Amino acid sequence: GQNIDQPTEMTATEGAIVQINCTYQTSGFNGLFWYQQHAGEAPTFLSYNVLDGLEEKGRFSSFLSRSKGYSYLLLKELQMKDSASYLCAPQTRTDKLIFGTGTRLQVFP
Amino acid sequence: DTEVTQTPKHLVMGMTNKKSLKCEQHMGHRAMYWYKQKAKKPPELMFVYSYEKLSINESVPSRFSPECPNSSLLNLHLHALQPEDSALYLCASSLVGQGLNEQFFGPGTRLTVL
Repeated sequence: GQNIDQPTEMTATEGAIVQINCTYQTSGFNGLFWYQQHAGEAPTFLSYNVLDGLEEKGRFSSFLSRSKGYSYLLLKELQMKDSASYLCAPQTRTDKLIFGTGTRLQVFP
Repeated sequence: DTEVTQTPKHLVMGMTNKKSLKCEQHMGHRAMYWYKQKAKKPPELMFVYSYEKLSINESVPSRFSPECPNSSLLNLHLHALQPEDSALYLCASSLVGQGLNEQFFGPGTRLTVL
């Protein structure tokens, strides 16, 4: 079966660092995507991981441990515009993306 | 051109109407997707087309009928919908094969069924 678990909500302060965790179980696994979605808008791609380890992309980094079924998204130097939902999405071997319920992040001044 | 476009942006329809949602991309992507997203929920996959052929149907009711007339266009035909079908319908596209391929999403069509 498929199961993706991430926290429902998180809050943080402008300029801080926040880590959003995701654990997953899928039947077949190619890699894992992270998407950002502002309210009422389409998801936009942030990063993906195929192999174990850390991928860094500016203020955003994503980590994957395939053996543990675990990933996290690290957001540094938080800005108000980072208030959004963050979707963890493992991809199966049939190229299907399975989206988690998303973590709603609120950044306060 | 690195975007996916969708029309209309908003659609209100009655349960007896027939309407269509349209999606277009010119990035040379040969995989196209329809997702349904309810408020405060993640996108749920409905259909996948690969090289203009339907490759995945996630047990979607027949009142939703997808069509891929060519490699740039994807339609979703709607007929006899129910109020619970009201949602944001997202189209996405990606390359096919060769490892992980990012899906590019369109802005969505917000559908209300009365």
